[in-house]
Parts: sequence; C-alpha cells; structure tokens
Amino acid sequence: QSVLTQPPSASGTPGQRVTISCSGSSSNIGSNYVYWYQQLPGTAPKLLIYRNNQRPSGVPDRFSGSKSGTSASLAISGLRSEDEADYYCAAWDDSLSGPYVVFGGGTKLTVL
Amino acid sequence: QVQLVESGGGLVKPGGSLRLSCAASGFTFSDYYMSWIRQAPGKGLEWVSYISSSGSTIYYADSVKGRFTISRDNAKNSLYLQMNSLRAEDTAVYYCAPHLLGALPDYWGQGTLVTVSS
Repeated sequence: QSVLTQPPSASGTPGQRVTISCSGSSSNIGSNYVYWYQQLPGTAPKLLIYRNNQRPSGVPDRFSGSKSGTSASLAISGLRSEDEADYYCAAWDDSLSGPYVVFGGGTKLTVL
Repeated sequence: QVQLVESGGGLVKPGGSLRLSCAASGFTFSDYYMSWIRQAPGKGLEWVSYISSSGSTIYYADSVKGRFTISRDNAKNSLYLQMNSLRAEDTAVYYCAPHLLGALPDYWGQGTLVTVSS
C-alpha cells in the first residue's frame, strides 16, 4: 500500500492527451514539491518533472505537471508509442516519526 | 555529464550482510544530498535512505531502520549502503541518486541487484 495513490494503469492512442493522477495528504503533497519519474521497460527511472511543474533539460514540453492541494497530475500531450512506460510520483512526507520520501505505486501507460 | 555507478550487489543468505557502493562523477558530489532507492522485482520504487551533503543528516525508511547504514566519502565521490540482517524482502535493484535539482532524487544510475535467498 503506497502512501501516494496512483491509478495502476492508463492508456491512450497516439496523438491523444493522457493525464495521470497522484493523490496524497497534507503531510506530503499538501506541503511539499511533487516529482514525476518515467521508467521505460528494463531501464532505470528518469526524472520528468521536478518541483511540481518544472521540466529538466531535455524533457519535451509534451510533459507537464501540476499540483492542487493534496493532489498532483502529470499530463502527456501528443502521445507517442515511446511514451509507453511506468510513471511514478514522489514527494517528501513530513510525518511525526521522521521525514520520508514517498512514492506512488506507479501507473503503467499503454499506447494503443 | 552525471554518472552514477552502483556496485556490490549479489546473492546473500538471509541474515547476511552486503555493502553497496556508488561512484559519482559529473557533478560536485560534496555539494549534494544523496539517496538510495530500491525496486523489488516487478514492483514499484521504494525510497531507502537519504544523507545530506556533509553527512550530518540521515534518514531511513522504517523498513530498513536499524539494519542499514548510509554513509559517504566526499573525498572519494562515493556513497555507501551497509546492509545487515538481510531479509528476503530486501531483494531488489538498488539505485543511488543525487538531489541535484532540489528536494528529491533526480539522476539515477543503472542499479545493482541484491538477492537475498537461501
């Protein structure tokens, strides 16, 4: 059971816009930045979005992030076959027993 | 460019120990926080531990607290994870990652596989 909740799967056709949600609480998303990672099959994760909505150099502007309250979203526009991957959200959690980094359970994106 | 090379993984029996290393290059290692994150086969990402740039602040996930120890050697641009009392559920690929762009890990190495099995 992950602290951050993501849908286990999402899908879309090439060219479509897909959104992946990430739900948390006041101790994590509600008070800290959200990061998003992409993991292509058989590879290490790669940073897609940092500080809620910032793209690292080299990440296409088809990828965008947003945050509202205790939820965040990753949007992928102009879907491509190479976007088929697992996507994870993450944030610090300021729990009483010590800060932790918490991840969502991951969303497997299928491009139909 | 940023490079992270993890090593030290392998097969170990339950109750055994392993020491993972991460050699970093392409950035000023001593300036940045570092984390270990793991991924069990077919599962999602799980954060393991964090260490500040000087090593003065350290955090652990509850699942490894008291068994794992994170450390760093800024002179050698290296990060370590001493893993004791290993359990089957510690079986995973272990990644090291710096926090270059802010609060959370950003660049990832290729990882090193730890298998705990009798």
